[in-house]
Amino acid sequence: EAGVAQSPRYKIIEKRQSVAFWCNPISGHATLYWYQQILGQGPKLLIQFQNNGVVDDSQLPKDRFSAERLKGVDSTLKIQPAKLEDSAVYLCASSHGGVITDTQYFGPGTRLTVL
Amino acid sequence: KQEVTQIPAALSVPEGENLVLNCSFTDSAIYNLQWFRQDPGKGLTSLLLIQSSQREQTSGRLNASLDKSSGRSTLYIAASQPGDSATYLCAPDGSGAGNMLTFGGGTRLMVKP
Repeated sequence: EAGVAQSPRYKIIEKRQSVAFWCNPISGHATLYWYQQILGQGPKLLIQFQNNGVVDDSQLPKDRFSAERLKGVDSTLKIQPAKLEDSAVYLCASSHGGVITDTQYFGPGTRLTVL
Repeated sequence: KQEVTQIPAALSVPEGENLVLNCSFTDSAIYNLQWFRQDPGKGLTSLLLIQSSQREQTSGRLNASLDKSSGRSTLYIAASQPGDSATYLCAPDGSGAGNMLTFGGGTRLMVKP
């Protein structure tokens, strides 16, 4: 089965510019996650979707970050305007959802550099 | 708020050694705990999942144990190989809605031939 797809793989922008990341989860997975991983740290959950509804976005900086999941499949994460501290790898993951022993499958990530 | 600490942060060993990676977490109210592997420039791959009712889980040369009451988990790697070089992350799953992982900072492992 195909894995989680993300694009682009790399992005370099200047501060105050906007950027968008795209994620295509594994077919049939109801739950989709976006994580931010700063160099040398573990991933931090930004937002979790169940189908096209938001389950948790408590750690999403809503003044500059937004995310949507259209039709419960693909998702986009947007940053506007970007700050230097947003430089990180943005990981998308998906899972079946609704099971305590659920396993998350991760995409390769998008490495964002803000200059 | 769950906090996860992994010790050591980095480890370099010769091939063939048996290893123990440690993970501690502050909130014992978890459903399960997962260990992941991350290779440079790549996403995470799930290695083992231990349910809160279990004490340990094994997969090949990997064995993970969980002591939920003391907030500790260990990942044991037997007969390490250069291909085991990667960052290993532990993530307890909080007792909230859905599958909510809190990751530690990871242990960067280098196995030298």
